[in-house]
Amino acid sequence: DTEVTQTPKHLVMGMTNKKSLKCEQHMGHRAMYWYKQKAKKPPELMFVYSYEKLSINESVPSRFSPECPNSSLLNLHLHALQPEDSALYLCASRNQLAGGTDTQYFGPGTRLTVL
Amino acid sequence: AQKVTQAQTEISVVEKEDVTLDCVYETRDTTYYLFWYKQPPSGELVFLIRRNSFDEQNEISGRYSWNFQKSTSSFNFTITASQVVDSAVYFCALSEAFGNQGGKLIFGQGTELSVKP
Repeated sequence: DTEVTQTPKHLVMGMTNKKSLKCEQHMGHRAMYWYKQKAKKPPELMFVYSYEKLSINESVPSRFSPECPNSSLLNLHLHALQPEDSALYLCASRNQLAGGTDTQYFGPGTRLTVL
Repeated sequence: AQKVTQAQTEISVVEKEDVTLDCVYETRDTTYYLFWYKQPPSGELVFLIRRNSFDEQNEISGRYSWNFQKSTSSFNFTITASQVVDSAVYFCALSEAFGNQGGKLIFGQGTELSVKP
């Protein structure tokens, strides 16, 4: 089973709202990722969590705040977003084998619209 | 620096035609991984294949086949007898094998494949 789930599927929010995106995997993977994807573009890495610790932040604005409460769950808290933040937000997880790499498996994404 | 180039932005074929999606990569690493992902209109990125830099064997999976050539830094993907369900955006990606980049994927720009009935 290589399933990563994301909720909600769609989200519309105003610029003053606070909302959260949720990602869950039960594959025992210890690396989890947030990506942002604009239309007709490849995914762009935002954050990487490794063993529940933030290991990479790709200079993402502070209005995006990630959280990894446990090894299966990854959240992305959103606050004071701008219309240009409208995009597909993808979560992924990876087994993170020592000394090598493994495949990232992606969730179905959350389509975010900021009004 | 690592880079992946998918020169074909859009390809349109008629059902049952064979189609090849090109992928050229650049890396200074001697050990690395290459991937193909499919993204249908629903949005989910579906993993298709992973290849490591030491394994140049071509792979076939049903109607899908992959041709990895280190000499030309290419990892091309062929769909035989295409079907309408193959319509999607296909991404080629590169990842380092070691280091502190957390398995970061370097994506190409994607090729949008449209298969018409």
